[in-house]
Amino acid sequence: EVQLLESGGGLVQPGGSLRLSCTASGFIFSNYAMNWVRQAPGMGLEWVSGISGSGDKTYFADSVKGRFTISRDNSKKTLYLQMNSLRAEDTAIYYCAKTKNIVLVASDYWGQGTLVTVSS
Amino acid sequence: DIQMTQSPSTLPASVGDRVTITCRASESVSSWLAWYQQKPGKAPHLLIYKASILESGVPSRFSGSGSGTEFTLTISGLQPDDFATYYCQQYSTYGTFGQGTKVEVK
Repeated sequence: EVQLLESGGGLVQPGGSLRLSCTASGFIFSNYAMNWVRQAPGMGLEWVSGISGSGDKTYFADSVKGRFTISRDNSKKTLYLQMNSLRAEDTAIYYCAKTKNIVLVASDYWGQGTLVTVSS
Repeated sequence: DIQMTQSPSTLPASVGDRVTITCRASESVSSWLAWYQQKPGKAPHLLIYKASILESGVPSRFSGSGSGTEFTLTISGLQPDDFATYYCQQYSTYGTFGQGTKVEVK
């Protein structure tokens, strides 16, 4: 059974940093690209970042480019999102999602999400 | 960046209705489009990918069509479990989502 478990969310001040983790199980982690998708309170889904299965290709939404970094450790079956220079508008539930291929395609499994709150 | 626009934003409907949601891309995404269902407090659930391929385990009353810049999600015979918010997502270039369509009780 595919499982994705996010962690690392919490309350952080504007300008601060946070690192999210997503631990995967139930599939060959390195064979699949992964995404981070967020959802601000009461709002729609926003794709944030993606990474290829090997980790050699990374992609970012314009809203986070230069502030967020995505990485993965295939030996630990873990996906990361390093978030720097956080802003109030980054407040959201952050989901990690497995895609259906080694490159970025549709996401077929999602974690339960971790809440990030940016506030003073 | 590719923009995705869904219509309508809200869709009042009744059990048994045939429901159609439209998604338009600001430029061609070929068939690289997915549809997701999301219920309150839950993660999204993949329904359809590559515009028209039904994800395993998804009921056959869901169907998708389109290519290029215009796509539709159709629910043939709305069931009580289908009242939810639906999102399209292009993955031709990165992964932009539409703003969502809430299917609510008429």
